[in-house]
Amino acid sequence: RKEVEQDPGPFNVPEGATVAFNCTYSNSASQSFFWYRQDCRKEPKLLMSVYSSGNEDGRFTAQLNRASQYISLLIRDSKLSDSATYLCVVARTGTYKYIFGTGTRLKVLA
Amino acid sequence: GAGVSQSPSNKVTEKGKDVELRCDPISGHTALYWYRQSLGQGLEFLIYFQGNSAPDKSGLPSDRFSAERTGGSVSTLTIQRTQQEDSAVYLCASRENNEQFFGPGTRLTVL
Repeated sequence: RKEVEQDPGPFNVPEGATVAFNCTYSNSASQSFFWYRQDCRKEPKLLMSVYSSGNEDGRFTAQLNRASQYISLLIRDSKLSDSATYLCVVARTGTYKYIFGTGTRLKVLA
Repeated sequence: GAGVSQSPSNKVTEKGKDVELRCDPISGHTALYWYRQSLGQGLEFLIYFQGNSAPDKSGLPSDRFSAERTGGSVSTLTIQRTQQEDSAVYLCASRENNEQFFGPGTRLTVL
């Protein structure tokens, strides 16, 4: 079993739709959580960190559920420019090792 | 300011040759990472540097892979006797606080 697992998708949604992705992690010692965005043939870029109480950045909301060991990303009012692969990233307690999921691909359709 | 840069952007080599990939991190970032991303796959951790030392080399796939960092800045990843399965995009990232900043990657193709 991979340490970080994501549904690869693709998620095809119309513009304006709300879409949510989940990511599960297996190491309960995991401490830090992030969502990165990767456009086709580009490098990953930080979208947002995920805090225990949940956090929001504009149309994006991230949630953490430690008991069930998953994090989620909700995108409201999807834009064409949101089309990308979303990578779930988990860092282990006491280390600076970051474990990347394989990503969930989102396509927003006109 | 300048971001992370990597060179070459593309490298095509023949099986059995050695290759050297270079990463210039953001100035002042002491933490540096190398990852490998194969087609349709996630990022595979290779090695982590803190300053010039590498406390975590656990991801290097074999002894054909090595990396060094000098002056707490530039890092090179060397692959000896390349194999076709080494073909991938090699990404370098430097870190400030909890955010990793990635370079554009080197696309390595081993024929």
